[in-house]
Formats: sequence, structure tokens, C-alpha cells
Amino acid sequence: QSALTQPASVSGSPGQSITISCTGTSSDVGSYNLVSWYQQHPGKAPKLMIYDVGQRPSGVSNRLSGSKSGNTASLTISGLQAEDEADYYCCSYAGNSTYVFGTGTKVTVL
Amino acid sequence: QITLRESGPTLVKPTQTLTLTCTFSGFSLSTSGVGVGWIRQPPGKALEWLALIYWDDDKRYSPSLKSRLTITKDTSRRQVVLTMTNMDPVDTATYYCAHKPSGGINWFDPWGQGTPVTVSS
Repeated sequence: QSALTQPASVSGSPGQSITISCTGTSSDVGSYNLVSWYQQHPGKAPKLMIYDVGQRPSGVSNRLSGSKSGNTASLTISGLQAEDEADYYCCSYAGNSTYVFGTGTKVTVL
Repeated sequence: QITLRESGPTLVKPTQTLTLTCTFSGFSLSTSGVGVGWIRQPPGKALEWLALIYWDDDKRYSPSLKSRLTITKDTSRRQVVLTMTNMDPVDTATYYCAHKPSGGINWFDPWGQGTPVTVSS
């Protein structure tokens, strides 16, 4: 059970759109539509932003959207804002009630 | 409102056993389908899922750490305890507990604030 692979960093200017990829295997991301995404600001606990690949919890901005193709899930942030600057982690169900997180992506708003 | 709070030692010596407690409110671990998980994060590094316990005492562990971890619950005290044996400096991390809702749900929300643990002699 290896960590899901994410780009170390992604950046964009205010108003732009960015996409963070999360690549797993046929044993986790590829087998289940059960990918969630978490946002973490420095020194804070992670916060759920997307669940079940593309569902947003209430209160989460509709500028965030998620998708999946094969073994890769993606998080897109449109209309980038300063408050979006944070670390983002994907997480996938990996079978047998186990989970695996991604390597994390630092989003920088230029 | 669901809240979770981690507690435990901030410093442990190599080879010692770490015991962390997650005290929660706003939900019951006797409710069908509910779970509490533990996740850790070494300084400047990624999150790592460790363990999960369900309302029915079903327990799941990270395959890579399974031999060192034990998760238990005390429903009446609203607590979940994680023990990790044979601690090593690479286990230095912030340890989080998180609520896993019922209903076949596969995400963690909310999380506790985390508790830092340093492993050093």
C-alpha cells in the first residue's frame, strides 16, 4: 500500500484555475469512486473539501471540483483566491476498510 | 457539533510504547457504522493513515504498521486509544484522530487539532 502520487507544488495567479492530480493504482483509486480531498493550512488540522471523487460537503466553495479517470483522481480549483493557498491531500479507499493518503501538494497563489 | 481532541505524551524515548487518547463529543461510537481513525503527519511531510475502529469493534490497521499498532475504544468514556510499540525517531509526527461518519461513508470529518509526538533519547 504505497502513498498516492501528487505533484509537490502547483501555482497559479488569482482568478486562474489549477488542477492537482492524484495517481494511485488499480487497487485503490482505480477500483473505487471513494477519493476524498483535504485542505490543510499551516499548523492546522486537515479539512474535508471533496468526497466520493466529486461531491462537496456543505459550506465548501463550488470553485472546487473533483473528477477521476482510471487510476488518477483530480482536484480543480477555479477562480483561484488567496485563501486557497494551502496544502492539499487526496485519500482513497484501498479495500478491506483501509485507506491511503497522497503525497500532498502545496498550492501557491502568485 | 462533533469535536475530537488528542492527548498523550509529547516526548517518548526510542523503543518505548506510545499511548494516545482521542476524546470525542457530538457522536456515539455505539451508533451503527460510525468509526474513529488515526492519521499522522511527520514534520513537513504527508499524512499517513494508521488505524480505524468501528462501532462494532471492527479494527483495521495500516499494513505497514500493523504489527506495532493497537486501537481500542471505550464507548462510555467516549474515547479511542491508539498504542504504538517500539517507537523510533522516524515516528516523530503530529498524530490526529478523526471521525468517520456512518452510512458506508469513506472520508474523515472532522479531525482533532492533532498532538505532536517527538521520539528522542
